[in-house]
Amino acid sequence: DAGVTQSPTHLIKTRGQQVTLRCSPKSGHDTVSWYQQALGQGPQFIFQYYEEEERQRGNFPDRFSGHQFPNYSSELNVNALLLGDSALYLCASSLTGQGETQYFGPGTRLLVL
Amino acid sequence: QKEVEQNSGPLSVPEGAIASLNCTYSDRGSQSFFWYRQYSGKSPELIMSIYSNGDKEDGRFTAQLNKASQYVSLLIRDSQPSDSATYLCAVKLNDYKLSFGAGTTVTVRA
Repeated sequence: DAGVTQSPTHLIKTRGQQVTLRCSPKSGHDTVSWYQQALGQGPQFIFQYYEEEERQRGNFPDRFSGHQFPNYSSELNVNALLLGDSALYLCASSLTGQGETQYFGPGTRLLVL
Repeated sequence: QKEVEQNSGPLSVPEGAIASLNCTYSDRGSQSFFWYRQYSGKSPELIMSIYSNGDKEDGRFTAQLNKASQYVSLLIRDSQPSDSATYLCAVKLNDYKLSFGAGTTVTVRA
């Protein structure tokens, strides 16, 4: 049973650049949520995708955008990168209507220089 | 007021002892509660979920929920060095997002 996968594992960018992170949900799951975790803090909710639509959004600027594909995989895009965007980006998958317990992928560690 | 607050660590316990972790939440309408374990440099791993008042046991872990007092706790019995990690409390309202506490770091001394 394949778990949640994310790519890449690590990424280094410079300020002002754009980045795309990818996530494939656990087999059988249809919902993908994205979180940002800064060092020493708990994950912060960015947004959730279901049926290829953004279903809920957290308190993040429009520079953060996403997409969900028909196979349920998802992308997170961040434009005009700031130093403060350096963090661990986590993807979590769940099955809507079944308790919606979220399972996390290994994360992508982004460093903005 | 933060949505989810956890007792500040770090928490150091001897091997074989009980580690007790506490979490309070602000929204009385919260429906689902989760404990995740996160090893240094890794992603959160689900330990337990709890939805109703009372205790829920799974191996050496016991989650306790008291909705009237708006707190949820996690007990780790017979603590092992492999339990050394940061434990994250997460709360879900009747919407879709998880709200996390900052985490409590536990160190089990051999």
